[in-house]
Amino acid sequence: KQEVTQIPAALSVPEGENLVLNCSFTDSAIYNLQWFRQDPGKGLTSLLLIQSSQREQTSGRLNASLDKSSGRSTLYIAASQPGDSATYLCASLLGGNTPLVFGKGTRLSVIA
Amino acid sequence: DAGVTQSPTHLIKTRGQQVTLRCSPISGHKSVSWYQQVLGQGPQFIFQYYEKEERGRGNFPDRFSARQFPNYSSELNVNALLLGDSALYLCASSLSPGNLYEQYFGPGTRLTVT
Repeated sequence: KQEVTQIPAALSVPEGENLVLNCSFTDSAIYNLQWFRQDPGKGLTSLLLIQSSQREQTSGRLNASLDKSSGRSTLYIAASQPGDSATYLCASLLGGNTPLVFGKGTRLSVIA
Repeated sequence: DAGVTQSPTHLIKTRGQQVTLRCSPISGHKSVSWYQQVLGQGPQFIFQYYEKEERGRGNFPDRFSARQFPNYSSELNVNALLLGDSALYLCASSLSPGNLYEQYFGPGTRLTVT
């Protein structure tokens, strides 16, 4: 059974800092890994999707990497802004008709 | 283009009642999945439907059921509501099931059971 863990559970940084959010998974035979953003009480916004054959994906100030062999993914946020404050969730997909398996998320606060 | 839509936005029910939640996928998407997110936790998979057939079911009791219509919209039904069913219910759509397709989530329905 796939288990996804996100560390830290919460993070507070001053505006402008670069930061890294961590995601680990127990079954390295994943097909893809997806990072989401969730604002309080809202739905999920997809940020980046990394296929198993890829090592990283970039979108603006966001960069996500995937290391299947070690069962880890990281989300790098450059030059953080107060608008980045949200919960960030990672989810893995093992393939076939399997569903996304989510971590509990990292709650990020960027202080102006 | 419209994203995934869900209705209602919020719902308050009493223990023992029944509830129906609705989801419309992105145009052209044929797969719909339902997730339950309890406060402070990640979403947990409930059902996946593709072409009106159930393709997957999570570890939820039989009080939970769902269906998909010919236009690919979907309903999630929960009978005999319990306090523990209070959660954000999320619907996600994708082109089809499987590992290559990104899933897009709706805004969710907040269910409160009193």
